[in-house]
Amino acid sequence: GAGVSQSPRYKVAKRGQDVALRCDPISGHVSLFWYQQALGQGPEFLTYFQNEAQLDKSGLPSDRFFAERPEGSVSTLKIQRTQQEDSAVYLCASSPSSVQGRDNQPQHFGDGTRLSIL
Amino acid sequence: AQSVAQPEDQVNVAEGNPLTVKCTYSVSGNPYLFWYVQYPNRGLQFLLKYITGDNLVKGSYGFEAEFNKSQTSFHLKKPSALVSDSALYFCAVRDRGMDSSYKLIFGSGTRLLVRP
Repeated sequence: GAGVSQSPRYKVAKRGQDVALRCDPISGHVSLFWYQQALGQGPEFLTYFQNEAQLDKSGLPSDRFFAERPEGSVSTLKIQRTQQEDSAVYLCASSPSSVQGRDNQPQHFGDGTRLSIL
Repeated sequence: AQSVAQPEDQVNVAEGNPLTVKCTYSVSGNPYLFWYVQYPNRGLQFLLKYITGDNLVKGSYGFEAEFNKSQTSFHLKKPSALVSDSALYFCAVRDRGMDSSYKLIFGSGTRLLVRP
């Protein structure tokens, strides 16, 4: 498809389980981002990839959160030993990229994965 | 620290009337500025951006935004609101420094309700 695709759209897990969220960016987009959106809040940055390189993971809330993009395309966000506070919508975004710091292109967002931890 | 403020949780306007959704920011240097719209159970859709140049930026669906450097504001406007404009609107900034990540910093959002 033409847009960013995320799966699953909804995920329910019991506290303590591991979950994996998938993001298919727009074809050819170099930059990929993950954001966490709590209910009633704006998205908050989690991590950023340029191709397969994870250049910024400063927003990951704990070492239970792990993201990868091994071939520079599809990305997976994994949360281990989930907690109730992990319940949120996880948004993936991609953008074309030129030289770092001079890219002003907007990020294109997927519809998100709504994660509920029971 | 970088931050974005959207002082109104909700804006109510009658269809056909002009609308304004406010945004102020606190970022070092000259950031890139964006507006996004979010419909229920959907991701964010890009509306417009300010990079440089003319302070009035025109975007999708008849929206425009006015950049004011001295007031560090980037208010979203539309001359004539439609019921279909009812949604959640987010202002976002991005540092343009060479060593920066591309991450967006978002405001908390403003719900726009356009009544018929």
